[in-house]
Amino acid sequence: NAGVMQNPRHLVRRRGQEARLRCSPMKGHSHVYWYRQLPEEGLKFMVYLQKENIIDESGMPKERFSAEFPKEGPSILRIQQVVRGDSAAYFCASSPPSGRGNEQFFGPGTRLTVL
Amino acid sequence: GDSVTQMEGPVTLSEEAFLTINCTYTATGYPSLFWYVQYPGEGLQLLLKATKADDKGSNKGFEATYRKETTSFHLEKGSVQVSDSAVYFCALRELVNQGGKLIFGQGTELSVKP
Repeated sequence: NAGVMQNPRHLVRRRGQEARLRCSPMKGHSHVYWYRQLPEEGLKFMVYLQKENIIDESGMPKERFSAEFPKEGPSILRIQQVVRGDSAAYFCASSPPSGRGNEQFFGPGTRLTVL
Repeated sequence: GDSVTQMEGPVTLSEEAFLTINCTYTATGYPSLFWYVQYPGEGLQLLLKATKADDKGSNKGFEATYRKETTSFHLEKGSVQVSDSAVYFCALRELVNQGGKLIFGQGTELSVKP
């Protein structure tokens, strides 16, 4: 069973461009989470999705950021008109819907650099 | 809102020393508690977890006990190795829709010298 896949692993964008980050959850996992890790900081929650639904987006910036998890295909985190402050590592995690102790499995992350 | 506070790092120890990384939390409900480890350039791996008060999570010689009365989940290991050098994150999760976001502490970097 392959782990959580994220691509690309490294992404370089110029200010004003769009960044598109992809996450394929583990097989059988219907819950996807996105977290952001700024340099020298811990991970901050961004958004929690189930298939075709956003469950909790309380950590998403109000503008330029969006996320989806379609019925088919990977989850996508999209950042429009990137700025230097968006430079960070973005981690995706997935879990099965099985209760209090269910583990979130993390992908290797996408490291976004905005020039 | 819910939050997690960890002791600041970096923590530098000699091989075979005893390790404690303090973690306390604030939560409105009854969260599950986790310790994750992050090696350089990698994602997070679950180290151990506890889902209710007085539960003890353990793995690879690491232990932590869910203490509701002191709202703590301190990580301990009796004898650290160089390979334990990493960043350790304490986290909590309230159950929402059979899932729920993790709220992380700021992380504690551990460096073990031979």
